[in-house]
Amino acid sequence: ETGVTQTPRHLVMGMTNKKSLKCEQHLGHNAMYWYKQSAKKPLELMFVYNFKEQTENNSVPSRFSPECPNSSHLFLHLHTLQPEDSALYLCASSQGQALSGNTIYFGEGSWLTVV
Amino acid sequence: AQKVTQAQTEISVVEKEDVTLDCVYETRDTTYYLFWYKQPPSGELVFLIRRNSFDEQNEISGRYSWNFQKSTSSFNFTITASQVVDSAVYFCALSGASTGANSKLTFGKGITLSVRP
Repeated sequence: ETGVTQTPRHLVMGMTNKKSLKCEQHLGHNAMYWYKQSAKKPLELMFVYNFKEQTENNSVPSRFSPECPNSSHLFLHLHTLQPEDSALYLCASSQGQALSGNTIYFGEGSWLTVV
Repeated sequence: AQKVTQAQTEISVVEKEDVTLDCVYETRDTTYYLFWYKQPPSGELVFLIRRNSFDEQNEISGRYSWNFQKSTSSFNFTITASQVVDSAVYFCALSGASTGANSKLTFGKGITLSVRP
């Protein structure tokens, strides 16, 4: 069983919908991340949170809005998405200073389809 | 900027064959970390190994082994006696140790491994 849990695993939404992806880590880590994985593209880092504070926003469009209420939970709020936003969204966590060579543990991902 | 190259895109082998997945990296950092992850069809990225730049000792874990050579900037991964359950996409990744742009985990494009019965 993975230490990083994501829900829902699959989501289909219209371009005018508002939905949220949820992530919870059970590893006692203090850093959490959102990554996007599109077909035929390398993994893209979207957001980084360190002790609940956002430390990285990798030029992500505002239609993606992250929220980190505590070190164990991370949300990605979605609204007015485009079909090209369809992808696998991976949540991850790590111990210690965010990034910096620390091992990042990933969840199972949320498969998002925008229609 | 740092870079990870996985030149092989798809590899197909028959069960019980040995297979080596290549990874070549570029970085200007003197301290850095190399990783391998496995991504089965379910989507989860499963952590396999992390090595720091000062430890060039090869590592073996069951059927998996890793060969780290700084001289050629390579960190290759070998699966011995492959099994159908090894079928997945394998990613090599690199991270600098300090804060800043190079501290981000840079992934290669991945190698799709298919193991046929």
